[in-house]
Amino acid sequence: DAKTTQPNSMESNEEEPVHLPCNHSTISGTDYIHWYRQLPSQGPEYVIHGLTSNVNNRMASLAIAEDRKSSTLILHRATLRDAAVYYCILRDLSNAGNMLTFGGGTRLMVKP
Amino acid sequence: EAQVTQNPRYLITVTGKKLTVTCSQNMNHEYMSWYRQDPGLGLRQIYYSMNVEVTDKGDVPEGYKVSRKEKRNFPLILESPSPNQTSLYFCASNRGTGNEQFFGPGTRLTVL
Repeated sequence: DAKTTQPNSMESNEEEPVHLPCNHSTISGTDYIHWYRQLPSQGPEYVIHGLTSNVNNRMASLAIAEDRKSSTLILHRATLRDAAVYYCILRDLSNAGNMLTFGGGTRLMVKP
Repeated sequence: EAQVTQNPRYLITVTGKKLTVTCSQNMNHEYMSWYRQDPGLGLRQIYYSMNVEVTDKGDVPEGYKVSRKEKRNFPLILESPSPNQTSLYFCASNRGTGNEQFFGPGTRLTVL
């Protein structure tokens, strides 16, 4: 799976939107963009994924650049519970090993 | 409630004493995986299973064994634990490759 680059940390105020960027310039045509997050002392938790079009679900939105070399996870109103490490991961469906390759992620801090 | 459970959550043991960490999922998922998480190294896959009696090595399988006799269970076995296996372990399951993975709460293992 291709590599992703994310900022080490970001800070946000509670109730404000948060835009978490991810660069993946070597993405291939069959790579899906997945986002997971890991809250303190918990296992990773799926957030959202997409291929080409922007995606929305109850947790977040995913905005994918037209050339697919970058994407942005959008939390519309950050809460204290959203403080976590967010991981951007590329998954090729030919990855028979079912493996998620977690990089360093972005540690999001939410201030009250 | 759909979930992945792991037991024990915490374990301190000594070098060479065989141990098993259990993992169970109630979502009828075909795929299950074991990961270890270490500071600075992210999550690394140990073993995965695509279905009953089908298992294969991940990135870091040395020193571990797994079995998949039933669809819901995927135990991780350390026949002769060593201190370098001190880590945080996560079990995960998903419906099929590419689908979101559901993670357990983690097992913190210390080998003295």
